[in-house]
Amino acid sequence: DTEVTQTPKHLVMGMTNKKSLKCEQHMGHRAMYWYKQKAKKPPELMFVYSYEKLSINESVPSRFSPECPNSSLLNLHLHALQPEDSALYLCASSQDVGAGRGTQPQHFGDGTRLSIL
Amino acid sequence: AQSVTQPDIHITVSEGASLELRCNYSYGATPYLFWYVQSPGQGLQLLLKYFSGDTLVQGIKGFEAEFKRSQSSFNLRKPSVHWSDAAEYFCAVADRPKTSYDKVIFGPGTSLSVIP
Repeated sequence: DTEVTQTPKHLVMGMTNKKSLKCEQHMGHRAMYWYKQKAKKPPELMFVYSYEKLSINESVPSRFSPECPNSSLLNLHLHALQPEDSALYLCASSQDVGAGRGTQPQHFGDGTRLSIL
Repeated sequence: AQSVTQPDIHITVSEGASLELRCNYSYGATPYLFWYVQSPGQGLQLLLKYFSGDTLVQGIKGFEAEFKRSQSSFNLRKPSVHWSDAAEYFCAVADRPKTSYDKVIFGPGTSLSVIP
């Protein structure tokens, strides 16, 4: 069982809809990530939150809006998406080991399969 | 810039046969290296990681990987493949962290098929 929980598992929405993806972890990790993964491709980093603050935005279109309400939760708000946004959206988290003191592997959820009509 | 290559897009092996998946990285300093596996419809699961020390790393599910600095490689091996090992395998390198979060660069992936 994964320790990072993502809901919903599947989402179908129209281009004018507003929806949200949710991610939750209770491992005490202070870094959380959103990735987009197209079929047969590696995950592409979208956003990184560190201590509930947005640290990296990989030039993601504004129709994707991340939010980190607390250290356990990460949301991705969706609005006016395009068909090319259909993909698997993965959430991940990693432990904070302090700046420059090493790195810890990321733990991934099972993702939300998003389809845009 | 850091990069990861996986020369084999797709590999097919017979159940019980040995397996080696290749990974090459480009990184200026000592890299932090990972292998992840992704089964259909699921997220990525960490198989093993290399940070420093012993260059032969043991992971879960009977996998191991060997770090070879001279070849800039981190190949994944398993002595006897099981049908359940059929999945997509990603090699990855983490950027040298200056902060509390990590930027991970993934390779393109190798798709493994297992013949009964």
